[in-house]
Amino acid sequence: AQRVTQPEKLLSVFKGAPVELKCNYSYSGSPELFWYVQYSRQRLQLLLRHISRESIKGFTADLNKGETSFHLKKPFAQEEDSAMYYCALAGSARQLTFGSGTQLTVLP
Amino acid sequence: GAGVSQSPSNKVTEKGKDVELRCDPISGHTALYWYRQSLGQGLEFLIYFQGNSAPDKSGLPSDRFSAERTGGSVSTLTIQRTQQEDSAVYLCASSPDYANTEAFFGQGTRLTVV
Repeated sequence: AQRVTQPEKLLSVFKGAPVELKCNYSYSGSPELFWYVQYSRQRLQLLLRHISRESIKGFTADLNKGETSFHLKKPFAQEEDSAMYYCALAGSARQLTFGSGTQLTVLP
Repeated sequence: GAGVSQSPSNKVTEKGKDVELRCDPISGHTALYWYRQSLGQGLEFLIYFQGNSAPDKSGLPSDRFSAERTGGSVSTLTIQRTQQEDSAVYLCASSPDYANTEAFFGQGTRLTVV
């Protein structure tokens, strides 16, 4: 079975502060990990995926197989980063499993 | 079409009635997913199609829920004898092929059972 855990339902930080959204996964094989974001009144959309190792909107995420984690980080949060963030995992069967999400609020 | 399209965008139904939710994936996308998004519950996986077949139906909450996909394109999610706890936003997503799991989401159908 594959499982994704996001321990924080709500996270608030001040503008300019670093932010880290936690994601842990459970999967016996080699997973593909993603972060999706849903801004207010918009569709859920892909933010980044671990295989591309890119930085999107200043966000990065590193896959740590030893700790089975894929935490999302940004050194300086902006107000427009306020959104719902979902971590997701795709296993060999290609089923996409999502975590329960973290609502990030960046305070002015 | 330009993106994943879901209809209706909103549906209010009386408890006990059946409802059908429709999803038009991006043309050519072979994988299609249904999720349920409830307040405070995140995204709950319901069912996944690869082409017209559903390798995993384990996420369907009860036998009142069923889904089909025809012609490798449009999918319908049917909920029979709706209950108030079925109220949620139902999201559909599609991805290009078996190897590429980047999912593109529709805007969702907000179902309210009264």
